[in-house]
Amino acid sequence: EIVLTQSPGTLSLSPGERATLSCRASETVSNSFLAWYQQKPGQAPRLLIFGTSARATGIPDRFSGSGSGTDFTLSISRLEPEDFAVYYCQQYGTSSYTFGQGTKLEIK
Amino acid sequence: QVQLQESGPRLVRPSEMLSLTCNVSGASMNSYFWSWIRQPAGKGLEWIGRIHASMRTNYNPSLQSRLTMSIDTSKNQFSLTLTSVTAADTAVYYCARLSPGTPRYFDYWGQGTLVTVSS
Repeated sequence: EIVLTQSPGTLSLSPGERATLSCRASETVSNSFLAWYQQKPGQAPRLLIFGTSARATGIPDRFSGSGSGTDFTLSISRLEPEDFAVYYCQQYGTSSYTFGQGTKLEIK
Repeated sequence: QVQLQESGPRLVRPSEMLSLTCNVSGASMNSYFWSWIRQPAGKGLEWIGRIHASMRTNYNPSLQSRLTMSIDTSKNQFSLTLTSVTAADTAVYYCARLSPGTPRYFDYWGQGTLVTVSS
C-alpha cells in the first residue's frame, strides 16, 4: 500500500498570502493518479485537482497542482477567506486508494 | 446534477452488523465504480471499497474479511455491510462516485452519515 504523508500538519497564513501544501508518497505515483480535495467542517470533501494538475469543474484558478514521482504540491496563490479548510491528497493504485492525513489551513 | 444520499441506522451495537445504502440520482449507475469512504471524528479519510455496475468489487484489505458491498442499478442504489463492528468503526460514512474511464478519483460525494458503535 502506498502511504501518503502530507506536510505541514497545520499551516497558519493570512488572507492574500500564498499557500504551499506538500504530499509525499512512499512509492512512485503516476501523475494521472494523484488528486486533491478540500474539506470544510461538517461537509464532505470536494474535489479540487485531479491528474496532479487539472482543476475540477468550478475550481478557481488560484488553485494549482504540480509534482511528479513521489513529491506533489498544492498551491493556492492568494488565499481567500473561504479557502481555510483541511486539504487531502489521494492516490489510486492497483484497484485501491489511499489518502494523506490532511493539512489544516488556518487563519493566522 | 449527480447527487448521492446515504441512509441507514445511526447507532449499531458492538459485534453486530452495520448496513448503509447510498441512493444515486441525476446519473446512470452504469459504467461507473461506486465507493464508500469513512472518517472517524477529527481524523482523516479511509477508503472502504468500491463496486462496479457489473457487481465487480474491490475492498480495502484491512476490512475485507468483514465487508460486503452490493449494487442494484434498477433502484439506483448501492450498499455496504460491515460485520462484527467495534467502537473503531464509529465514523462518518460517505458514499462517492469514482471518475469515468479509469476510476482515479472521487468526483461526487454524499453528505455523509455518522454511524456510532455503542451499547
